[in-house]
Amino acid sequence: DTGVSQDPRHKITKRGQNVTFRCDPISEHNRLYWYRQTLGQGPEFLTYFQNEAQLEKSRLLSDRFSAERPKGSFSTLEIQRTEQGDSAMYLCASSASLAGGPYNEQFFGPGTRLTVL
Amino acid sequence: KNEVEQSPQNLTAQEGEFITINCSYSVGISALHWLQQHPGGGIVSLFMLSSGKKKHGRLIATINIQEKHSSLHITASHPRDSAVYICAVTNYGGSQGNLIFGKGTKLSVKP
Repeated sequence: DTGVSQDPRHKITKRGQNVTFRCDPISEHNRLYWYRQTLGQGPEFLTYFQNEAQLEKSRLLSDRFSAERPKGSFSTLEIQRTEQGDSAMYLCASSASLAGGPYNEQFFGPGTRLTVL
Repeated sequence: KNEVEQSPQNLTAQEGEFITINCSYSVGISALHWLQQHPGGGIVSLFMLSSGKKKHGRLIATINIQEKHSSLHITASHPRDSAVYICAVTNYGGSQGNLIFGKGTKLSVKP
């Protein structure tokens, strides 16, 4: 399968624990996005990488959240000291940039569903 | 007010019916996307458009830039079309391609 993959698919944790999610984008895609989706809502932008550079972070991304893409390939999203409000689906997407314009189709992974007890 | 509004929020149809889902947005955009999300979370991109109309199988997407409005039509609907349909936009002059999403329209097609 050459699509976007995410691991794990489901994570249940206790409040206060740290969790880390991984996203593997489509191999030739240089852009990688993280989104969060709570029940009944549309996804919300968290952060975005072009290659290994993290170019933008949403105000939703508190200090407890950190994302990396060390070699410009896979990315990790870590949440420290989880809170019940962090319970959500965390979605990763990737896209390829086109010469002369950045606005390209995004391909989504299956998501990681986080439940904080 | 959300930057991307969809209507209706929920839609129930009988198999074979023609379905329309609407999306209005309040920001300047470079592109508008229609996405499909099945239970379990996976999102599939259906269309990306910046003008006019696109068709793929039984799905048709239109956009009116002047009115800041887009519609997604499904002809001859089928129970397998049951999903959440999400409208999203790429904000012109904003971030490098991150999407602003509507809340989605939950479609249920009954046999």
